[in-house]
Amino acid sequence: GAVVSQHPSRVICKSGTSVKIECRSLDFQATTMFWYRQFPKQSLMLMATSNEGSKATYEQGVEKDKFLINHASLTLSTLTVTSAHPEDSSFYICSASPPRYNEQFFGPGTRLTVL
Amino acid sequence: RKEVEQDPGPFNVPEGATVAFNCTYSNSASQSFFWYRQDCRKEPKLLMSVYSSGNEDGRFTAQLNRASQYISLLIRDSKLSDSATYLCVVNPGYQKVTFGIGTKLQVIP
Repeated sequence: GAVVSQHPSRVICKSGTSVKIECRSLDFQATTMFWYRQFPKQSLMLMATSNEGSKATYEQGVEKDKFLINHASLTLSTLTVTSAHPEDSSFYICSASPPRYNEQFFGPGTRLTVL
Repeated sequence: RKEVEQDPGPFNVPEGATVAFNCTYSNSASQSFFWYRQDCRKEPKLLMSVYSSGNEDGRFTAQLNRASQYISLLIRDSKLSDSATYLCVVNPGYQKVTFGIGTKLQVIP
């Protein structure tokens, strides 16, 4: 299967700071990557679709100015949580699908805690 | 109606038991279906794809019923290591997938 990595795996930050999370496809190129958020005991919720070389597509209710997505290369997408607040504390996961695959492969996730 | 619906459980079953989960989806045009497994505080991992003809992988059997718009997962001879949350995932055909809330399985010694 394809491998997707994420960094960092865990981050604790103070309220008001910005946090950048990286998602990399290690053995394939991904023109599209997806960012999800999962609160405790809830399902994965798609936040946005990251498109290489163009603007991300955000799901309804997700603030694009708060969650900045940059897909600068075919193997890297970044999610920056700007001016983080405690309610942004969550498990953030990215996924990507290699060409001709239907299934998504997930990164190991980043657990964000905002104090 | 939610796009993908699952019974969140928990399903508490003894070791060796057979357990089945169902998942219904609302978009009749959906093209691909999957079961993922998610362990506590970890990312989802693909368990198996689901085809109309049904598919089996060891103790796991998945079925798709397009007419009734549901998919199922059957686990035979449950092991303690099967304890996890099982996510039903539906791909409507434009790469973006939709997750069910997940069904929690707890296998008891």
